[in-house]
Amino acid sequence: NAGVTQTPKFQVLKTGQSMTLQCAQDMNHNSMYWYRQDPGMGLRLIYYSASEGTTDKGEVPNGYNVSRLNKREFSLRLESAAPSQTSVYFCASSEFLGTEAFFGQGTRLTVV
Amino acid sequence: GENVEQHPSTLSVQEGDSAVIKCTYSDSASNYFPWYKQELGKGPQLIIDIRSNVGEKKDQRIAVTLNKTAKHFSLHITETQPEDSAVYFCAASTSYGKLTFGQGTILTVHP
Repeated sequence: NAGVTQTPKFQVLKTGQSMTLQCAQDMNHNSMYWYRQDPGMGLRLIYYSASEGTTDKGEVPNGYNVSRLNKREFSLRLESAAPSQTSVYFCASSEFLGTEAFFGQGTRLTVV
Repeated sequence: GENVEQHPSTLSVQEGDSAVIKCTYSDSASNYFPWYKQELGKGPQLIIDIRSNVGEKKDQRIAVTLNKTAKHFSLHITETQPEDSAVYFCAASTSYGKLTFGQGTILTVHP
C-alpha cells in the first residue's frame, strides 16, 4: 500500500521547457489535489479534482494545466516553465473534499 | 475565499516544555480544522483534526482547541521531545470544500 506516489522527485528545467508531474494514489480516493510549497507561504492549491472527470482551479493556477486521467492518476503540466515556478510540488488525495488529505513525498522543481 | 493566518512562524522550546501554535480563519462556514506535521524532505502528514461540533480534542501529548465565535483554533503539544521538531501547518475547510493552509510554523525542540 504505497499511498500517494509522485514522480519525479527532482527536476531541473530551463526556462520555456515543458514537463508533466505524475501522481497516483492507491487508496480509491475520489478527490485529488496539486499544491506548491514556497518558503513562508505555506501550501497553496494549484488545481484540484473533486471526483473523476472534474477539475477546478485553485488559488494559483496560472501557468499550469491538469489532467485527471482516471480515478487513480492526476497529472500537472507546465507548458512553458518560468523561474517563478521553482518550488516544491505536492500531490494529495482524500476520500472526498473536506476530509483528511494524504500527501505524496513531493517533487522539487528548479527552473533556471 | 478562506484565509488562514498562522502564528508564530518559528517557535523554539526546550525539551519537556509545551508548545502552542495558533491559527485564525476568515470563513465562518468552515467546519473542518486539521493540523499537519511536515518533517524534512517529506510530505505533510495529518496529526490531529477537529470538526466544529466539538471544542477540544486530545491525542496523547497533542491537543487542539477551537473557538468558533472568535474563529481561531490552536495546537498544543505538551512534554515536547526532539522528534517533535518539524514544520506544522494548520488548515481549514467547509464541508466538501478545499483545504486552505496557514503559512506554517517551524518548531525546534532543543534537548
